[in-house]
Amino acid sequence: DGGITQSPKYLFRKEGQNVTLSCEQNLNHDAMYWYRQDPGQGLRLIYYSQIVNDFQKGDIAEGYSVSREKKESFPLTVTSAQKNPTAFYLCASSSSIGHLGYGYTFGSGTRLTVV
Amino acid sequence: AQSVAQPEDQVNVAEGNPLTVKCTYSVSGNPYLFWYVQYPNRGLQFLLKYITGDNLVKGSYGFEAEFNKSQTSFHLKKPSALVSDSALYFCAVRDRDYGQNFVFGPGTRLSVLP
Repeated sequence: DGGITQSPKYLFRKEGQNVTLSCEQNLNHDAMYWYRQDPGQGLRLIYYSQIVNDFQKGDIAEGYSVSREKKESFPLTVTSAQKNPTAFYLCASSSSIGHLGYGYTFGSGTRLTVV
Repeated sequence: AQSVAQPEDQVNVAEGNPLTVKCTYSVSGNPYLFWYVQYPNRGLQFLLKYITGDNLVKGSYGFEAEFNKSQTSFHLKKPSALVSDSALYFCAVRDRDYGQNFVFGPGTRLSVLP
């Protein structure tokens, strides 16, 4: 079945440590997105990528980095510069920008906790 | 600029009663409108969308929504609520003419009481 896989489901990070969240899709979607979800704040866009080897900052990119070396993969690194990383992280994908009537397909999320 | 408002943080309804979750939007061009549902510790699941055509759209699990251009609204409705409908609901808009990415509303938590 086609879909998006996020791993791990739960992740614990020590202070000052970088961690990488995985996002893989087999939907042949061109666009991929990372969102952060905090209680009561809805979804905030961190980074997005419309095509391989290209990505853009979203609304809250500081302290995060991404890469898009393959169409299927869009990993997110939470760096030590991110001062409050505890949150639920959602990855999504979508067909290309030319098909704006398509919605997003979401992964099941990664819950990151700083310990 | 695109924006979405969901004026109610929480909606409580008794099982078997009709439910409404409100959404209003703002876009420069014409909107694509979506509703998603999120269960605890899960990703968002697609419920329904308005692209063009009939203003009343029907989606999964008996949900429907009505696009009202004059009121810039896209309220989610269901004639008879189930306890299993209890979840977090997100409205999202994409500007058909000028937008690239979705903008999501803040979410409305629906609680259906038995």
